[in-house]
Amino acid sequence: AQSVTQLDSHVSVSEGTPVLLRCNYSSSYSPSLFWYVQHPNKGLQLLLKYTSAATLVKGINGFEAEFKKSETSFHLTKPSAHMSDAAEYFCVVSEGNTPLVFGKGTRLSVIA
Amino acid sequence: SAVISQKPSRDICQRGTSLTIQCQVDSQVTMMFWYRQQPGQSLTLIATANQGSEATYESGFVIDKFPISRPNLTFSTLTVSNMSPEDSSIYLCSAFPSRTEGYGYTFGSGTRLTVV
Repeated sequence: AQSVTQLDSHVSVSEGTPVLLRCNYSSSYSPSLFWYVQHPNKGLQLLLKYTSAATLVKGINGFEAEFKKSETSFHLTKPSAHMSDAAEYFCVVSEGNTPLVFGKGTRLSVIA
Repeated sequence: SAVISQKPSRDICQRGTSLTIQCQVDSQVTMMFWYRQQPGQSLTLIATANQGSEATYESGFVIDKFPISRPNLTFSTLTVSNMSPEDSSIYLCSAFPSRTEGYGYTFGSGTRLTVV
């Protein structure tokens, strides 16, 4: 069965500095991988998704992620953090038409 | 307009009662899923609901506690039965494939349930 491991439960960065949220996945097949964001008391928003096309995926709000099969990783990055980026981020995997499997989440704090 | 309309958005319920959550999708979808998000936690899959068949429940979730209906390709309900304070969570439905979302996954806005 597929799974994801988010390596950090909490990441804190200063405004204007780079963001790195780490995610490793486990899958028996060619997975689809996603990053979702959840702001406090808000719904889930899709940031980006990888579905076997280009390995470098660009998403909304300046985020991007790189699929590395050799490392089974799908880390999320952003060159410069903004205060509005403070939220919970979920790395998610699926195989074909299976339900999405969520990681435990990484809380991103942005310090002014 | 929302891709999935989920109702109610929130509710406060007495223990021992039941609450039914509804999700209406704006297009026909093959699969619908129900998730639970306990306070401060990630999303956990409760069950998969396909039209015309019984829902498939994940380990730790049973039909008597979380009965699900899927009468057609655009609608599903989840009932949280005989509620206790431990059922206080956000419940979300998801649909796949969503034509509006490029034939990907889409989520309702969630139902925030508090059991007192």
